Amino acid sequence: GAGVSQSPRYKVTKRGQDVALRCDPISGHVSLYWYRQALGQGPEFLTYFNYEAQQDKSGLPNDRFSAERPEGSISTLTIQRTEQRDSAMYRCASSPVGASTEAFFGQGTRLTVV
Amino acid sequence: GQNIDQPTEMTATEGAIVQINCTYQTSGFNGLFWYQQHAGEAPTFLSYNVLDGLEEKGRFSSFLSRSKGYSYLLLKELQMKDSASYLCAVRNTGGFKTIFGAGTRLFVKA
Repeated sequence: GAGVSQSPRYKVTKRGQDVALRCDPISGHVSLYWYRQALGQGPEFLTYFNYEAQQDKSGLPNDRFSAERPEGSISTLTIQRTEQRDSAMYRCASSPVGASTEAFFGQGTRLTVV
Repeated sequence: GQNIDQPTEMTATEGAIVQINCTYQTSGFNGLFWYQQHAGEAPTFLSYNVLDGLEEKGRFSSFLSRSKGYSYLLLKELQMKDSASYLCAVRNTGGFKTIFGAGTRLFVKA
C-alpha cells in the first residue's frame, strides 16, 4: 500500500476483554516496529520484527501483550485481559532493510479500556 | 540504562532560527534520528546522523557529537507550520531497537 495502515483506528473495549490490533506495513518493508505513545510523550518501544522473526520484545510490558508477524508482512499486536492502564495510542512503523533507514509510522490505533 | 533528554517546550518567532538540543545515554549507539510530529498525527522522519558533524537538508540541519552524547536540530526561517513536537530517537547497536525521547513542543508565534 501507499503507507502503513493500522486498524481499527479507534477501539473501545471493556476491562478484561482481549483486543487485537492490526498493522499492514508498506509493501516490501523488512522491519516492523510496535510502539505505544501516551499523550504528550514520545513513542515507547514495544517490539521489533525482522521479516517474520520477532527479534526484540523487551519493551512488551508484561505477558498479556504479544505480537506476531507470521508471513513477514501483516502484524498483529494482541492484548489479553485488558486493563485501564493499557489505554493509549498504539503505533506501528515499518522500514526497508538497513540501519540508516527511516521508519514510516501508521496513523495508530487509539485504544480505550473502560 | 538508556536515557534521552530534550527540553519540554520552546517558543520562537516566525522567520527566526531555533535550536533544539538532545542529550542521550544509551547502552550502544547505531545512529540518531529526528522526527516531527504534528498534534494528532504520526511522526515523520526529518534527519539521520551516525557520524559526527552537521547534516543539512533545506531549512533543517542536524548535528551529532558521539563523544558528548549530544545532538541538536536547527530550524531556520521558521514558519507557522513548524509548530509541532520534535522527537529525538537513538538506535541501539546489535539490532534496530530505537528509543525515543519525550519530544520538544515548539510553538512558532507571529
